[in-house]
Amino acid sequence: DAGITQSPRHKVTETGTPVTLRCHQTENHRYMYWYRQDPGHGLRLIHYSYGVKDTDKGEVSDGYSVSRSKTEDFLLTLESATSSQTSVYFCAISEEQHLREYFGPGTRLTVT
Amino acid sequence: QKEVEQNSGPLSVPEGAIASLNCTYSDRGSQSFFWYRQYSGKSPELIMSIYSNGDKEDGRFTAQLNKASQYVSLLIRDSQPSDSATYLCAVKKTSYDKVIFGPGTSLSVIP
Repeated sequence: DAGITQSPRHKVTETGTPVTLRCHQTENHRYMYWYRQDPGHGLRLIHYSYGVKDTDKGEVSDGYSVSRSKTEDFLLTLESATSSQTSVYFCAISEEQHLREYFGPGTRLTVT
Repeated sequence: QKEVEQNSGPLSVPEGAIASLNCTYSDRGSQSFFWYRQYSGKSPELIMSIYSNGDKEDGRFTAQLNKASQYVSLLIRDSQPSDSATYLCAVKKTSYDKVIFGPGTSLSVIP
């Protein structure tokens, strides 16, 4: 496996609470991504980063923010969790932009 | 029309047969194409990439690309029960565009 870890692996939280998911890599790859995966929708890009402090929005960015203060860490924050954000969240990394992405183990988030 | 379409399946094939997975895409300018395998409860794993028309072989896997018809396929020869997974097709337009994933096709290889 590429050196990617995600924490926590499972989380249950209540509607309206903030939640932060962490992605950590040991590969020193420049590009990092956050996806969500839902039945019938496949993988959808939330946000991505092309360097420290450099981020951009994906197709489903509303309600999410990200930060990257170090090459190895990419944080995804749900500012006020809603039930529609119940999903499996995957972090991915790549050496080239949006090319040959390697995925972390995923975080299963349930918002009640 | 969705940007990347795949038959959801499940596709069932007997062990030893050839499994054929198909993917169509809507953007004629797409340049890079990928196949990911995802076991149940696990993360996607890149298994093939293809960039030019024709076939690309890697072991038991062959990716086929036809840009004129806007489809890409994955053939798995001598299918094994361990190939049972969901296969995701992903398409990218240019170097700076994002990858768009299809919904995936579930494959079941029956012993």
